Amino acid sequence: DTGVSQDPRHKITKRGQNVTFRCDPISEHNRLYWYRQTLGQGPEFLTYFQNEAQLEKSRLLSDRFSAERPKGSFSTLEIQRTEQGDSAMYLCASRILGGNTEAFFGQGTRLTVV
Amino acid sequence: TQLLEQSPQFLSIQEGENLTVYCNSSSVFSSLQWYRQEPGEGPVLLVTVVTGGEVKKLKRLTFQFGDARKDSSLHITAAQPGDTGLYLCAGLNGSSNTGKLIFGQGTTLQVKP
Repeated sequence: DTGVSQDPRHKITKRGQNVTFRCDPISEHNRLYWYRQTLGQGPEFLTYFQNEAQLEKSRLLSDRFSAERPKGSFSTLEIQRTEQGDSAMYLCASRILGGNTEAFFGQGTRLTVV
Repeated sequence: TQLLEQSPQFLSIQEGENLTVYCNSSSVFSSLQWYRQEPGEGPVLLVTVVTGGEVKKLKRLTFQFGDARKDSSLHITAAQPGDTGLYLCAGLNGSSNTGKLIFGQGTTLQVKP
């Protein structure tokens, strides 16, 4: 396990379709974060998990978005009824609980809604 | 709401020039991190600064954390084309213990040979 992996790397979907992204964190990391990044901007926090518990959700996360981490390992982020405004890079990061430990980011999933 | 303002947003310079990127906030952060991001990739951590007034060096990169832990700067000496990328500062709020990062808007740096 060399890092955080995300799948797919790229997704093009038609408006109104549902999409699901997967994130596999570094195996011993108990915290997992989802961020969204639009072109030319910094990432914005969406939600995070500690083990399997989802502890915080941003107001950016509308009811069309749902995230899960059922066994405290990999996580999925689903977007229902996609809109053009959902087009962005979706980044996953993981870290060990506590202190100023480093968060490791995956390469992201680039979503384009047409 | 905690915000981080980065400046400048875009910087295009010639190889060999020096530059400074600023990251400012009205909020106090327990630590501040600097990341570099290549197109189509996730951010990669460069450094974490924790103590007010702290200065850290990474080869030609010098990072400083403000005394009040509200601002930070990144200085690059003798920039090279390989330094091209998006530089992001991110604050960590220690009091909430969530570990979530508040990012600035980023500075896109282009170093021309």
